[in-house]
Amino acid sequence: EAGVAQSPRYKIIEKRQSVAFWCNPISGHATLYWYQQILGQGPKLLIQFQNNGVVDDSQLPKDRFSAERLKGVDSTLKIQPAKLEDSAVYLCASSLVTGGSVPLHFGNGTRLTVT
Amino acid sequence: QQQVKQSPQSLIVQKGGISIINCAYENTAFDYFPWYQQFPGKGPALLIAIRPDVSEKKEGRFTISFNKSAKQFSLHIMDSQPGDSATYFCAAFAGGYQKVTFGTGTKLQVIP
Repeated sequence: EAGVAQSPRYKIIEKRQSVAFWCNPISGHATLYWYQQILGQGPKLLIQFQNNGVVDDSQLPKDRFSAERLKGVDSTLKIQPAKLEDSAVYLCASSLVTGGSVPLHFGNGTRLTVT
Repeated sequence: QQQVKQSPQSLIVQKGGISIINCAYENTAFDYFPWYQQFPGKGPALLIAIRPDVSEKKEGRFTISFNKSAKQFSLHIMDSQPGDSATYFCAAFAGGYQKVTFGTGTKLQVIP
């Protein structure tokens, strides 16, 4: 099966600019996750979708981050305006159903550098 | 209470040796403990997982040991190979719609 696709792979922007990331999950996977991975740390969940509804966005900085999952398939994550501390790898993952007891399938991520 | 503490931060092991990574948790609601392996430039991938009703799970050269009373679990990599060089994350999950909580990661380097 095709894996989780993410684009772009790399992005460099200046602070206060905006940026968007795209994710296409594995076909048939109902749950989609966006994680932020800062260098040297474990992935931190930003938002979790079940189909096109939000299950958990408690750690999403909603004043600058937004995400949507159109038609329960592809998803975009946007940052506006970006701050220096947003420099990280943004990982998209999907799973067949909701719940950590099923494997999370991760994409290769987008490395964001904010200067 | 949602934290998972992982150690060591980095580990260097000779080829053929045993790599051991330790994790500890506080939340007794956690009931599923996966380990993820991440190579540079790639996303994490599930390696092996355990539930607290067993004390050990083995898959090939990889073994999870689980101590429920101590709230600790560890990953053992037997006969470590250079191809095992990667970052390893322990994680914990409390069920339902709860999120998976990841440890801080251990960068393993296996030298020939």
